[in-house]
Amino acid sequence: QVQLVESGGGVVQPGRSLRLSCAASGFTFSNYGMNWVRQAPGKGLEWVAIIWYDGSNKYYADSVKGRFTISRDNSKSMLYLQMNSLRGDDTALYYCATYRTGHYFENWGQGTLVTVSS
Amino acid sequence: QSALTQPPSASGSPGQSVAISCTGASSDVGGYNSVSWYQQYPGKAPKLMIYEVSKRPAGVPDRFSGSKSGNTASLTVSGLQAEDEADYYCSSYAGSNNWVFGGGTKLTVL
Repeated sequence: QVQLVESGGGVVQPGRSLRLSCAASGFTFSNYGMNWVRQAPGKGLEWVAIIWYDGSNKYYADSVKGRFTISRDNSKSMLYLQMNSLRGDDTALYYCATYRTGHYFENWGQGTLVTVSS
Repeated sequence: QSALTQPPSASGSPGQSVAISCTGASSDVGGYNSVSWYQQYPGKAPKLMIYEVSKRPAGVPDRFSGSKSGNTASLTVSGLQAEDEADYYCSSYAGSNNWVFGGGTKLTVL
């Protein structure tokens, strides 16, 4: 079955960087677009970034554009999110999710918590 | 990218039907047949319940149904059960490689 396992979260000071990872298994990773979606504590879901199945295209929410970079390694079935210049409002649970044409997010991981605080 | 508008809460008794609305604009909900709905229990990951406005993934009970009229989409849960108590989020493609979610609705089974 599809499994997505995020890691790399933690407590980081404002202005610093963090790299999140998502290990995928149970499906042909290289066939699927992948996303990061975040959820601030007690708040709703927010789409963060998407990367095409082959890494050829990447798109970002305005709130993270220029600070976050999504990437993938299909040989390792891994998805990444490099987060730079972190701010307090980046504090959230970050989920990776598979993307299906039809514009929906089919499978989700359990998330990794990022806390930006001094 | 403005969030889609959902009522903060909804409720119904076991066996009843309840509808949750999701209002957007012609640039998102109204412009694409790409509305999806997600169920989330406290401390758990979201789960896809409806995609492309009204399609159900395998394993989702047919008590869950989706529809859209103009800029507003709806999720209807029929024959409410205690296990349906959760948060529900709508999402829509918003064009130009952007996706937007609603603020979420807490469904309470009375």
